[in-house]
Amino acid sequence: NAGVTQTPKFQVLKTGQSMTLQCAQDMNHEYMSWYRQDPGMGLRLIHYSVGAGITDQGEVPNGYNVSRSTTEDFPLRLLSAAPSQTSVYFCASSYRTLGYGYTFGSGTRLTVV
Amino acid sequence: AQTVTQSQPEMSVQEAETVTLSCTYDTSENNYYLFWYKQPPSRQMILVIRQEAYKQQNATENRFSVNFQKAAKSFSLKISDSQLGDTAMYFCATPQEDKIIFGKGTRLHILP
Repeated sequence: NAGVTQTPKFQVLKTGQSMTLQCAQDMNHEYMSWYRQDPGMGLRLIHYSVGAGITDQGEVPNGYNVSRSTTEDFPLRLLSAAPSQTSVYFCASSYRTLGYGYTFGSGTRLTVV
Repeated sequence: AQTVTQSQPEMSVQEAETVTLSCTYDTSENNYYLFWYKQPPSRQMILVIRQEAYKQQNATENRFSVNFQKAAKSFSLKISDSQLGDTAMYFCATPQEDKIIFGKGTRLHILP
């Protein structure tokens, strides 16, 4: 049981480049979310999904796209990377009730230069 | 909107001491859950303890316990006999509709 798998673990991008952060879970969780973590800001929600084909915006969605074509996968796309997107990104998943909290991936450290 | 507030950005205690991390929250839900997550230097987010709001009894997990004051909307985490491995960021969190919202965290240093 792998849990939540994020790839890559580290990435350096140039301003204006695009890329996709991958997230996959094998727990048949319906809910999945992407957060970014910046010093002093805690975890801020970017996008979330309550099931395949359904996504919604969180607190800081600008500059990011998501899709949820399967229950297992929830990729996060950076359309045109900016230095302000330098951060640590976490993917998380949960059963529908959210009563047992999220299971988190190990995070992706992204640097945009 | 629901909020989670952690008023202590950073704390330091000596090894073996007891430390309490504060959290207050605001919610319009009648039945809800509260969580404390630990993030050690490895960056991995680990669920430490969970409280169901309709349960009066405070949750306990080994050296970790909570003081849940529902009327005051307070949910503090107590770490007893602190160990060097408890050095980490700690986040308080609660579900809000279809997602979980987090406080900004408390950085805890356990000193040898």
